[in-house]
Amino acid sequence: TQLLEQSPQFLSIQEGENLTVYCNSSSVFSSLQWYRQEPGEGPVLLVTVVTGGEVKKLKRLTFQFGDARKDSSLHITAAQPGDTGLYLCAGYPIYTGNQFYFGTGTSLTVIP
Amino acid sequence: ETGVTQTPRHLVMGMTNKKSLKCEQHLGHNAMYWYKQSAKKPLELMFVYSLEERVENNSVPSRFSPECPNSSHLFLHLHTLQPEDSALYLCASSQDRGGTEAFFGQGTRLTVV
Repeated sequence: TQLLEQSPQFLSIQEGENLTVYCNSSSVFSSLQWYRQEPGEGPVLLVTVVTGGEVKKLKRLTFQFGDARKDSSLHITAAQPGDTGLYLCAGYPIYTGNQFYFGTGTSLTVIP
Repeated sequence: ETGVTQTPRHLVMGMTNKKSLKCEQHLGHNAMYWYKQSAKKPLELMFVYSLEERVENNSVPSRFSPECPNSSHLFLHLHTLQPEDSALYLCASSQDRGGTEAFFGQGTRLTVV
């Protein structure tokens, strides 16, 4: 059983379309991070959300932390082929010690 | 460039070989981690070091042996591996164990033949 479930697992869209990736848990997190990983490379940190209800924007990417701090979403506007990669959410649940958990991942392919 | 450097980037080894993976971080962090990433599987935490002391070992086989000589360096010593150990091995660091953000190296792609 995964502490952080992401959906969808795979996503293939045309350039210019919008998409949303979800990261859900039954546990409360002190913060959540979003990473993007390209094939054969390590994950690269995109953003950290800390406050319940927080919204952060990074160019065409919008990240939201749920009010209860149990879930998060990543919305990409007008996707580009350069957005292709594996998107991972991760964080520390506040009641289960100091273990850093990763989500199951969403593999995004943006077709030119 | 994330400040975490892993070498080598690629490694092919036989099942009877002994090799080591190296990780170096220049971020002044106190916690370092080894993760294993296999195809179509979530990242698996292998080892956690905090202030050079191993604080977590997630049921990893003894053919994987970590070493943390100082807070900037982390090694993963490999011996008598199996083909199913082929994977991307990732090193990460964070300010402290329980810190809000982890920064990753580029990984070592390991193939066991």
